[in-house]
Amino acid sequence: GAGVSQTPSNKVTEKGKYVELRCDPISGHTALYWYRQSLGQGPEFLIYFQGTGAADDSGLPNDRFFAVRPEGSVSTLKIQRTERGDSAVYLCASSLSPGQPQHFGDGTRLSIL
Amino acid sequence: GQQLNQSPQSMFIQEGEDVSMNCTSSSIFNTWLWYKQEPGEGPVLLIALYKAGELTSNGRLTAQFGITRKDSFLNISASIPSDVGIYFCAGQEESGGGADGLTFGKGTHLIIQP
Repeated sequence: GAGVSQTPSNKVTEKGKYVELRCDPISGHTALYWYRQSLGQGPEFLIYFQGTGAADDSGLPNDRFFAVRPEGSVSTLKIQRTERGDSAVYLCASSLSPGQPQHFGDGTRLSIL
Repeated sequence: GQQLNQSPQSMFIQEGEDVSMNCTSSSIFNTWLWYKQEPGEGPVLLIALYKAGELTSNGRLTAQFGITRKDSFLNISASIPSDVGIYFCAGQEESGGGADGLTFGKGTHLIIQP
């Protein structure tokens, strides 16, 4: 489809493992955003890319979280040494340019056992 | 950090009734957006507001950007069963300032009784 695509849709792993979550933005969208949504809460901003560079990573909770967007399109959110508290839905959004409305994917539901 | 207070937390209404929900902020935003989220899906954009005082409609939905730039409301007229879901307000600071991540409210859970 033409929307934001996130894979996998679900990921279950053990505490301490490494995970990668992928986001394919809408074609032509230069800005890409990652959010984390816990149960019963609104999404919380993690990091924002303009092109290939991370323009704002102030929402990343600690240095176990890292994201890349090497070619300015697909982005990968990487979490090292996962903890049970990392369990949440990780949402990706893209916009045509900074300041334009953000359109979300359906998220990856991450469960850390 | 910025906080958005969204109310009510949940609404139980009869089909056909009008709905109103609002958000207030401790900080000024330059853009207000309203999203709807259904189980297992990502938020879907309903309305985007860019100017203080702006009133925008999308079908049965109407939203306004408060003149103080610290609040916004969303109204839904003549509710129907498919309006069920969680509605989120979100605010965005001025673009280009390095702070383009959205700040979301906690959501209003709309439940419609037939």
